[in-house]
Amino acid sequence: AQRVTQPEKLLSVFKGAPVELKCNYSYSGSPELFWYVQYSRQRLQLLLRHISRESIKGFTADLNKGETSFHLKKPFAQEEDSAMYYCALKSGRDDKIIFGKGTRLHILP
Amino acid sequence: DSGVTQTPKHLITATGQRVTLRCSPRSGDLSVYWYQQSLDQGLQFLIQYYNGEERAKGNILERFSAQQFPDLHSELNLSSLELGDSALYFCASSVRLADEQFFGPGTRLTVL
Repeated sequence: AQRVTQPEKLLSVFKGAPVELKCNYSYSGSPELFWYVQYSRQRLQLLLRHISRESIKGFTADLNKGETSFHLKKPFAQEEDSAMYYCALKSGRDDKIIFGKGTRLHILP
Repeated sequence: DSGVTQTPKHLITATGQRVTLRCSPRSGDLSVYWYQQSLDQGLQFLIQYYNGEERAKGNILERFSAQQFPDLHSELNLSSLELGDSALYFCASSVRLADEQFFGPGTRLTVL
């Protein structure tokens, strides 16, 4: 079954410390993976996708097919990174989209 | 606002009733997606349309139905409402099928 797991509901990190938001997926085949972010009182928006291999707002995510993971990382957390982060998978077979339950990132001053 | 719009913002209704949620995609976007967000289930994909045709189906109940009209706006119909249907319903749109999705502000449905 296709599944996206974000094991942490809440992650608190001090400003300036490294951040890693975990995402594991279950999918047989080649999925497309995304990270979406929702800042307070704003709409859900795309942060990055694995096929573009970009770094957005200092965040990167590498697809590790062996570990079926797509962890989101940032070397130095900033207060404006506080938000809800969702990992998502798009099936190449049937176009279904599966979101993880999200991780709330709280950056401590 | 040239982004995704959803109406109404809030909807309060009673069990057993039927409601319609409306979504207007961004100009030029052909694909529309519907999601349900509840506290315990997170963001659940319901259904996707592309240029008027159903493209993918997720965890959408039989009591729910959707369609995308020729002008590309979409409606999500929820019938025989139950307390558990109370949630935020998001619509998103994208230019093509595999593109970045742009989300609307959501409709908060409360079933009493």
